[in-house]
Amino acid sequence: NAGVTQTPKFRILKIGQSMTLQCTQDMNHNYMYWYRQDPGMGLKLIYYSVGAGITDKGEVPNGYNVSRSTTEDFPLRLELAAPSQTSVYFCASSSYLQGTNTGELFFGEGSRLTVL
Amino acid sequence: AQKVTQAQTEISVVEKEDVTLDCVYETRDTTYYLFWYKQPPSGELVFLIRRNSFDEQNEISGRYSWNFQKSTSSFNFTITASQVVDSAVYFCALSEGRSKLSFGAGTTVTVRA
Repeated sequence: NAGVTQTPKFRILKIGQSMTLQCTQDMNHNYMYWYRQDPGMGLKLIYYSVGAGITDKGEVPNGYNVSRSTTEDFPLRLELAAPSQTSVYFCASSSYLQGTNTGELFFGEGSRLTVL
Repeated sequence: AQKVTQAQTEISVVEKEDVTLDCVYETRDTTYYLFWYKQPPSGELVFLIRRNSFDEQNEISGRYSWNFQKSTSSFNFTITASQVVDSAVYFCALSEGRSKLSFGAGTTVTVRA
């Protein structure tokens, strides 16, 4: 029962470096999301995808990019890392069936990123 | 504009006390879903409950209960006879179409033995 798997769990970056947070789910969910959680704050939506080949911006997309080439994978790319991107990143997925919107998000365990 | 407001930042109680977490939401949609998630110190997010906008029945699950009132746009969560294991951050969230969830800032609950 893998569910949603994120890698890496921890990473330290230097300012200006780039990296990709990997996310994969094995539940055949249509919807996938990336959230960030800053200390003492709620989760803010970075990007989401309603299916392979379709992505859209959330509340805080600046400094990030995503792609969705398959149903299973939804990587988050950080270009030119900045200290403001220090956060815990959560990937999530959910199913959406016509007429029966479950809406429940299944979350990965989170990836703690520090930019120094 | 903030869609989900959890006015209580932190609540501290002694074991066996009841604790109620407030959640007020804002939406123009007639169809929406409300959620509560728990984030224990280990950091993962645990789904607790989902409620759709057409179902105002209160729900009880063990020591947890939820009070949904559309008239006041509130979806409050009560833990009865709290235990140390209930110590966590609790998030209320609102889904308006396409399963996008907007989260509140969270309420940190500390239960002291």
